[in-house]
Amino acid sequence: TQLLEQSPQFLSIQEGENLTVYCNSSSVFSSLQWYRQEPGEGPVLLVTVVTGGEVKKLKRLTFQFGDARKDSSLHITAAQPGDTGLYLCAGGSQGNLIFGKGTKLSVKP
Amino acid sequence: DAGVIQSPRHEVTEMGQEVTLRCKPISGHDYLFWYRQTMMRGLELLIYFNNNVPIDDSGMPEDRFSAKMPNASFSTLKIQPSEPRDSAVYFCATGWGSHYNEQFFGPGTRLTVL
Repeated sequence: TQLLEQSPQFLSIQEGENLTVYCNSSSVFSSLQWYRQEPGEGPVLLVTVVTGGEVKKLKRLTFQFGDARKDSSLHITAAQPGDTGLYLCAGGSQGNLIFGKGTKLSVKP
Repeated sequence: DAGVIQSPRHEVTEMGQEVTLRCKPISGHDYLFWYRQTMMRGLELLIYFNNNVPIDDSGMPEDRFSAKMPNASFSTLKIQPSEPRDSAVYFCATGWGSHYNEQFFGPGTRLTVL
């Protein structure tokens, strides 16, 4: 059974701090997605990584895919209250998308 | 495009009643997914369709759950009879072609079974 473990489960920081959240698995994925979900809404796709070692940047967010395509990280620089939400990673393989349980981020002003 | 549309947004029902959740996908998307989200189990895939055909329903918890996609613009997820442990947020998501993992989610239906 494929599993995606996300850490930390909860993170509460002050505005302006940097943070990194992790997504780990023992399985290899053909692609990995990061989504952000706000309360009362569905997840919204942030990025897809496909190649081992790939790094993608989205404004203050930096996403990295592990060399072996089993893990990924999301780094946020100078976090803002608007970054608050549940960050989900999802791994794709054989037509199925497996989601981690997410990291719930709270950024206080 | 209006995005993925789900109805109702909230449903409160009593144990034993039939519940039908509805989804209108984004036009042109050939994949449709039904998910369930709970605090304990996170986001779980229940079933997905490609070109209106069910491809994988291994995530459907039991025979009380059924899903249909009679055409490209409509899908339903039915629970009959409902039980309190079915209480969750149910999401419909769509994707297209080889990018089916890059999914667009609806706002969800929050189901409470009393």
